[in-house]
Amino acid sequence: GAGVSQSPRYKVAKRGQDVALRCDPISGHVSLFWYQQALGQGPEFLTYFQNEAQLDKSGLPSDRFFAERPEGSVSTLKIQRTQQEDSAVYLCASSLEAGVNTEAFFGQGTRLTVV
Amino acid sequence: AQSVTQLDSQVPVFEEAPVELRCNYSSSVSVYLFWYVQYPNQGLQLLLKYLSGSTLVKGINGFEAEFNKSQTSFHLRKPSVHISDTAEYFCAVPNQAGTALIFGKGTTLSVSS
Repeated sequence: GAGVSQSPRYKVAKRGQDVALRCDPISGHVSLFWYQQALGQGPEFLTYFQNEAQLDKSGLPSDRFFAERPEGSVSTLKIQRTQQEDSAVYLCASSLEAGVNTEAFFGQGTRLTVV
Repeated sequence: AQSVTQLDSQVPVFEEAPVELRCNYSSSVSVYLFWYVQYPNQGLQLLLKYLSGSTLVKGINGFEAEFNKSQTSFHLRKPSVHISDTAEYFCAVPNQAGTALIFGKGTTLSVSS
């Protein structure tokens, strides 16, 4: 596709429910990033993939958060037993090369609301 | 540790006026700096970046930024803003591992006529 695509755009989950957020990066992009953006804040790093390898998951806030990119393209961010504090916009970004010094292209995000 | 501080949360300006959005950084390694813009209902988009070389960096949409090592600043400027520049602007620096960007809290630029 022309850009990074995320689905769903909006998700309402009941507390305790599991959710899965999908990211389709730009074809051929090596790097894939997940960020969490709370209301009125800047994006905060969650995890980084280089192809299918998850090289950094230091930003995942708890073991309820899990991300994968099994074939080095599409990625899924899964949140188990959602809590109200998980409510945020989840952003996915991809870039052509490894690391962060090349331009990252961001999707529009998935807005998760936990009720 | 790497960090950025955006000194203004909101900047209201009139159309055709100049604007400066301020960003200060802290970095213990080589300094790379970025400005991203988030238009309403759109994803973040790279405005410009400083990796090395000239300290004056020109970006898209007429924006520029100057890297000032002595003042640890990377302020974003535009000589004459348009209504369409209304957006959220984020300054960012890479983390030490080079695996992520650390973003500031953002500055909301509101341009009115």
